[in-house]
Amino acid sequence: EVKLVESGGGLVQPGGSRKLSCAASGFTFSDYGMAWVRQAPGKGPEWVAFISNLAYSIYYADTVTGRFTISRENAKNTLYLEMSSLRSEDTAMYYCARDFYYGSSYYFDYWGQGTTLTVSS
Amino acid sequence: QIVLTQSPAIMSASPGEKVTITCSASSSVSYMHWFQQKPGTSPKLWIYSTSNLASGVPARFSGSGSGTSYSLTISRMEAEDAATYYCQQRSSYPLTFGSGTKLEIK
Repeated sequence: EVKLVESGGGLVQPGGSRKLSCAASGFTFSDYGMAWVRQAPGKGPEWVAFISNLAYSIYYADTVTGRFTISRENAKNTLYLEMSSLRSEDTAMYYCARDFYYGSSYYFDYWGQGTTLTVSS
Repeated sequence: QIVLTQSPAIMSASPGEKVTITCSASSSVSYMHWFQQKPGTSPKLWIYSTSNLASGVPARFSGSGSGTSYSLTISRMEAEDAATYYCQQRSSYPLTFGSGTKLEIK
């Protein structure tokens, strides 16, 4: 059974830093690209960052470029999101998602339950 | 970036009624994916690559479209279908989601 479990959320002051983790199980982690997607309260999902299976390709949303770093440790089946210079608008539920390829299309087929980040003084 | 505009934003349907949700892209995309989300839960893949139902999705759901115009259809609304539906494009970065359609049961 595919399982993604996020952790590391909490209350952080504006300007602060935080590192989120996503523990993966039930599949060969090193075969899949992974992504972080966030959802602010009452809003739709917003893609944050993507990393390919061997970390050769990395992409970020403009809203987080230069502040967030996505990484992975395939030996530990874990995805990370290191966040710095946090702002109130970064307050959201953060989900990790697996990127699946079928036919000629990629899509997020499994999502974790999310971890909540609140940026407030 | 490719902007996805969903309509309607909110709608209600009676049991047995046909429902259509549309997603319009600001530029052509190869495929559209759809997610269902119920309160307090994470989004679930619902329809992938425009017209393929994800595992466990009832056959009353269908997806269609091409280029800049896509839709999700429920042939006969059921109470369990009440949720928010989001379209998403994976054709180019930044990846984008639609603003969502909240579907309620009458």
